Amino acid sequence: AQRVTQPEKLLSVFKGAPVELKCNYSYSGSPELFWYVQYSRQRLQLLLRHISRESIKGFTADLNKGETSFHLKKPFAQEEDSAMYYCALSAQGQAGTALIFGKGTTLSVSS
Amino acid sequence: KAGVTQTPRYLIKTRGQQVTLSCSPISGHRSVSWYQQTPGQGLQFLFEYFSETQRNKGNFPGRFSGRQFSNSRSEMNVSTLELGDSALYLCASSKTGQSSSYEQYFGPGTRLTVT
Repeated sequence: AQRVTQPEKLLSVFKGAPVELKCNYSYSGSPELFWYVQYSRQRLQLLLRHISRESIKGFTADLNKGETSFHLKKPFAQEEDSAMYYCALSAQGQAGTALIFGKGTTLSVSS
Repeated sequence: KAGVTQTPRYLIKTRGQQVTLSCSPISGHRSVSWYQQTPGQGLQFLFEYFSETQRNKGNFPGRFSGRQFSNSRSEMNVSTLELGDSALYLCASSKTGQSSSYEQYFGPGTRLTVT
């Protein structure tokens, strides 16, 4: 079965500390993985996707197929990073796709 | 350009009633997906429409249905409402829905409360 697991409901760090939001997945095919973010009172929006291999707002995520993980990292957290983060997997159906989301991790960055 | 819009934003219904929610995608986007968000289950995929055809369906009962119009606007319908249907319903649009360019843009959601 396709599944995305985010083991931490809440992650609290101090400003300037490194951040790692964990995501593990279960998928029999070749996955496409994403991180979505929801800031307070804003819509859910794409942060980054593994296929782009990009760094957005200082965040990076590497797909590790051996460990079936796609952890989100940032070397120095900022207060504006406080938000809800969702890891998502794109499961290819017969045609079209669906996003399978983890339950999310709330990141709280304090000064 | 204008983002994804959903109407209504809030809705209160009684058990047994039915409800229709509407979603207008970003101009030029042909794929519309629907998700249910609850505190217990998180975000769960309901279905996806592309060019007026349902392309993908999540694991929800037949009481949940949808459709897409020729202008890509989409509606979802829930019949015989149950208390457990209380949730935030999110709509998302994307250009094609093919995974290689699969960025979904989300609407603000419709908050449905069933009493």
